[in-house]
Amino acid sequence: AQSVTQLGSHVSVSEGALVLLRCNYSSSVPPYLFWYVQYPNQGLQLLLKYTTGATLVKGINGFEAEFKKSETSFHLTKPSAHMSDAAEYFCAVTGAQKLVFGQGTRLTINP
Amino acid sequence: NAGVMQNPRHLVRRRGQEARLRCSPMKGHSHVYWYRQLPEEGLKFMVYLQKENIIDESGMPKERFSAEFPKEGPSILRIQQVVRGDSAAYFCASSLVTGRTNTEAFFGQGTRLTVV
Repeated sequence: AQSVTQLGSHVSVSEGALVLLRCNYSSSVPPYLFWYVQYPNQGLQLLLKYTTGATLVKGINGFEAEFKKSETSFHLTKPSAHMSDAAEYFCAVTGAQKLVFGQGTRLTINP
Repeated sequence: NAGVMQNPRHLVRRRGQEARLRCSPMKGHSHVYWYRQLPEEGLKFMVYLQKENIIDESGMPKERFSAEFPKEGPSILRIQQVVRGDSAAYFCASSLVTGRTNTEAFFGQGTRLTVV
């Protein structure tokens, strides 16, 4: 079975500061890992994904995430936050069937 | 190639009525998920379907909720005798399964159900 834990339901950073959203997973099989973003009143949009190969993956809008098997983590980062990054972010894992999501982290950007 | 299409976008029902939510997956996708999102909460898995087959319904309430994905036509999430607690956004996603593992899921815009 798979599960995902996102540490921090709310994260607030200043514009231009580093964004770090934490995600830890558990999986009984090698996982595929995903980060999705949800803007208000919209569906979810894929930011990036890890399947196999390079453990540092780059996504849209300047985001990237690193798969660390030893730490069972897949944290999302962006070097410099922009006001347009304010949204809800979901980490997800799939290994052998359904896609399982974390609770989400709401990112607020302060001017 | 159209994305995942959900309709209606907004649905208002009185308590006791039935709600039918539709989801047309992306072309070529044979697997559909349904998720529920309550206000200020994350996404809760409800059901995972393949055409004409329910793979996993462990997140579905035992009563009043049902889902189907027929050979032809959209997937339907049906809620009978709705109550105020059913008010939520319901998201559908579709994916392409290769081997044992899903590729990423593509999401629709959601149906926002309000029970009055």
